[in-house]
Amino acid sequence: RKEVEQDPGPFNVPEGATVAFNCTYSNSASQSFFWYRQDCRKEPKLLMSVYSSGNEDGRFTAQLNRASQYISLLIRDSKLSDSATYLCVASNTGNQFYFGTGTSLTVIP
Amino acid sequence: DARVTQTPRHKVTEMGQEVTMRCQPILGHNTVFWYRQTMMQGLELLAYFRNRAPLDDSGMPKDRFSAEMPDATLATLKIQPSEPRDSAVYFCASGRGSLYEQYFGPGTRLTVT
Repeated sequence: RKEVEQDPGPFNVPEGATVAFNCTYSNSASQSFFWYRQDCRKEPKLLMSVYSSGNEDGRFTAQLNRASQYISLLIRDSKLSDSATYLCVASNTGNQFYFGTGTSLTVIP
Repeated sequence: DARVTQTPRHKVTEMGQEVTMRCQPILGHNTVFWYRQTMMQGLELLAYFRNRAPLDDSGMPKDRFSAEMPDATLATLKIQPSEPRDSAVYFCASGRGSLYEQYFGPGTRLTVT
């Protein structure tokens, strides 16, 4: 079983739609969580960190559910520019940093 | 705007040749990661350094790959001899520790023919 699992998609949504991604992690000792965005043929870029209380940055909201060991990313009012692959990450103090394989999003005009 | 830099950006080489990739982490970051990304495997962690000491290189084929940090401003990843299956994008990332976010360089796109 992989340390971090994501639905690879693809998710194809119309502009303006709300879309949500989930990501599950297997190591209960995981302490830090992040979402990265990767555009085609580019490097992953940090989108946001995920805090226990949940956090919001504009149209993006990240949530952490420790009991069920998953993190989520909600994108509201999708833009064409949101089309990318979204990677979730879980890490712990044991120097272990795990990336999911990514979820592909295409926002359609 | 501090960034991780990597050289070269593209490399095409023949099987059997040595390949050296270089990375300059963001100033002040004490952790450096090397990743390999292919369409089939996604992002794989190859090696991880903290304060220039290798902490985890279990993801790296030991017989042909080696990673070093000769100083705090330079990390290197070498492949000798290279094989066609090594063709991938190699990313370097730096950060302040395993609990903190990482920042990626633009990658080295390696093609071994």
